[in-house]
Amino acid sequence: AQSVTQPDIHITVSEGASLELRCNYSYGATPYLFWYVQSPGQGLQLLLKYFSGDTLVQGIKGFEAEFKRSQSSFNLRKPSVHWSDAAEYFCAVRSGGSYIPTFGRGTSLIVHP
Amino acid sequence: DTAVSQTPKYLVTQMGNDKSIKCEQNLGHDTMYWYKQDSKKFLKIMFSYNNKELIINETVPNRFSPKSPDKAHLNLHINSLELGDSAVYFCASSQGLAGGSLDTQYFGPGTRLTVL
Repeated sequence: AQSVTQPDIHITVSEGASLELRCNYSYGATPYLFWYVQSPGQGLQLLLKYFSGDTLVQGIKGFEAEFKRSQSSFNLRKPSVHWSDAAEYFCAVRSGGSYIPTFGRGTSLIVHP
Repeated sequence: DTAVSQTPKYLVTQMGNDKSIKCEQNLGHDTMYWYKQDSKKFLKIMFSYNNKELIINETVPNRFSPKSPDKAHLNLHINSLELGDSAVYFCASSQGLAGGSLDTQYFGPGTRLTVL
């Protein structure tokens, strides 16, 4: 069975600082990996996804994520955080034969001015 | 030109009432879903429909009854509401069922249900 762990419940960064949100997955074969962002009172918006190919994936809003098979990780990064990035971030994994992703518990990003 | 829309955005009601949440997608997708997000932000799949046919029912109480009048709509009706039903309910859609790279899920804005 597939599973996702987001080890950090909360992350606090200063505006302009770099950001890395951690995601580890458990799945035997190469998974499909996703990062979603949920702004306060909003739905989930897809930031980026990895299916195959280049392990460094570029997304919207200046985010990127790197798939590392050896570490079973798909960490989300941004070089310089903006106050508007404060939100809940969800990592999700889906196996190739399934269309239902498993979501992590989310990481809440707090941005200090 | 919202891709996945839900109404209402907020729903406050008394225990024992019956309520419905509507969902519509204009992406031309074949598959639609309902998720429940609890107070700890955990997202759990409830139902999945493909071409108006129920595909997944994840041990949800039968007080919850989804209805798909056509591919673009998936409504959720809840009977005899209980306190534990308070949550945010998200509708989502995806291209199909093949599980391939096209089948990314797109989510609606959510409906916050509060049962008093």
